[in-house]
Amino acid sequence: GAGVSQSPSNKVTEKGKDVELRCDPISGHTALYWYRQRLGQGLEFLIYFQGNSAPDKSGLPSDRFSAERTGESVSTLTIQRTQQEDSAVYLCASRQKGGTSGRPSYNEQFFGPGTRLTVL
Amino acid sequence: GQSLEQPSEVTAVEGAIVQINCTYQTSGFYGLSWYQQHDGGAPTFLSYNALDGLEETGRFSSFLSRSDSYGYLLLQELQMKDSASYFCAVKPDSWGKLQFGAGTQVVVTP
Repeated sequence: GAGVSQSPSNKVTEKGKDVELRCDPISGHTALYWYRQRLGQGLEFLIYFQGNSAPDKSGLPSDRFSAERTGESVSTLTIQRTQQEDSAVYLCASRQKGGTSGRPSYNEQFFGPGTRLTVL
Repeated sequence: GQSLEQPSEVTAVEGAIVQINCTYQTSGFYGLSWYQQHDGGAPTFLSYNALDGLEETGRFSSFLSRSDSYGYLLLQELQMKDSASYFCAVKPDSWGKLQFGAGTQVVVTP
């Protein structure tokens, strides 16, 4: 079946411009996460959606970053007035449902291919 | 502070066994996951440990000791395709977000 998809795959923008990154999660997955990965580093959590509400926005680095989700489907991450330090790969992941369980399969996050953002 | 420590790089020959250690210090702990990421690719899930002990999935095994804030990923019968970065990640709360380590690059040589 279809996995998580993200668009665009690559985005080059000029400093100060706004960008929108899109994520289509796996159908039926209620939990959705955005992460950022700088070159050669681990992933940094940005925001978590359960359905279309965002109970955890603690990872958003500044008020230039915002995200929304329509129902239990598409999510968009918007970065306003981009800065060079925003250059990174932005990854989206979905999980079947939120909440907690000790079962490995319950905790698997399915990642999209990412959007590589370059701010000149 | 919060941190996850893992070695930056490990090199081994085909057929060998590699152990990647991960020590963590986080504000909360629900479980430890491991993800594999090939260059330019998406991270893919390998394992999750919520309780102490060893979980085995094929050639890969993962271990957790909550009292030691420590876990490891064991890769057996290494193959060339196992060359990738491996990340440990803590689930610090019930909502499921992950805090990742910086990753361990595993290089498999013939």
